[in-house]
Amino acid sequence: DGGITQSPKYLFRKEGQNVTLSCEQNLNHDAMYWYRQDPGQGLRLIYYSQIVNDFQKGDIAEGYSVSREKKESFPLTVTSAQKNPTAFYLCASTLTGMNTEAFFGQGTRLTVV
Amino acid sequence: DQQVKQNSPSLSVQEGRISILNCDYTNSMFDYFLWYKKYPAEGPTFLISISSIKDKNEDGRFTVFLNKSAKHLSLHIVPSQPGDSAVYFCAAPTGRGSTLGRLYFGRGTQLTVWP
Repeated sequence: DGGITQSPKYLFRKEGQNVTLSCEQNLNHDAMYWYRQDPGQGLRLIYYSQIVNDFQKGDIAEGYSVSREKKESFPLTVTSAQKNPTAFYLCASTLTGMNTEAFFGQGTRLTVV
Repeated sequence: DQQVKQNSPSLSVQEGRISILNCDYTNSMFDYFLWYKKYPAEGPTFLISISSIKDKNEDGRFTVFLNKSAKHLSLHIVPSQPGDSAVYFCAAPTGRGSTLGRLYFGRGTQLTVWP
């Protein structure tokens, strides 16, 4: 079955450490996205990538980094520079083209301890 | 700057009645809109969409209405069921042609359907 997979589902990090969240899709989608969800804030875009080896900052990119070396993979690194990293992180992918929907992974809950 | 707005953070409806979730947008270039449903600790799932060439799209119990002049859309759920209790997000993509661009999301509306 095709889909988009995020791992791990729960992640704990000590303050000052970098951590990488995995996102893999086998839908042959061109574009991939990372969102962050906080209570009352909806979904805020961190980074997105429309093609391999290219990505753009979203609305809240500070303290995050990404790479897109393969079409299937779009890992997100939460760096120690991110001041409030505890959140629910969602990865999504879409085909490019008009009138298409985004498919989401199941999310990763990151908690800084 | 919120380009997609959901001004009601919550809505409570009795089972069997109609649920109406509202969404407003500011960007007149938006020409396609999507609704997503999200349960706690899960990713959103696509529910229904509408293109700006239509003013209504129906799928079973779910109907989305688009009023372009008012830059407003609404999702109607009839009849509402307890399993519909979730957060509903309105979204709109930028980009045209072969470039999808990014999705703008509203802040979501928590729907609670009670027996």
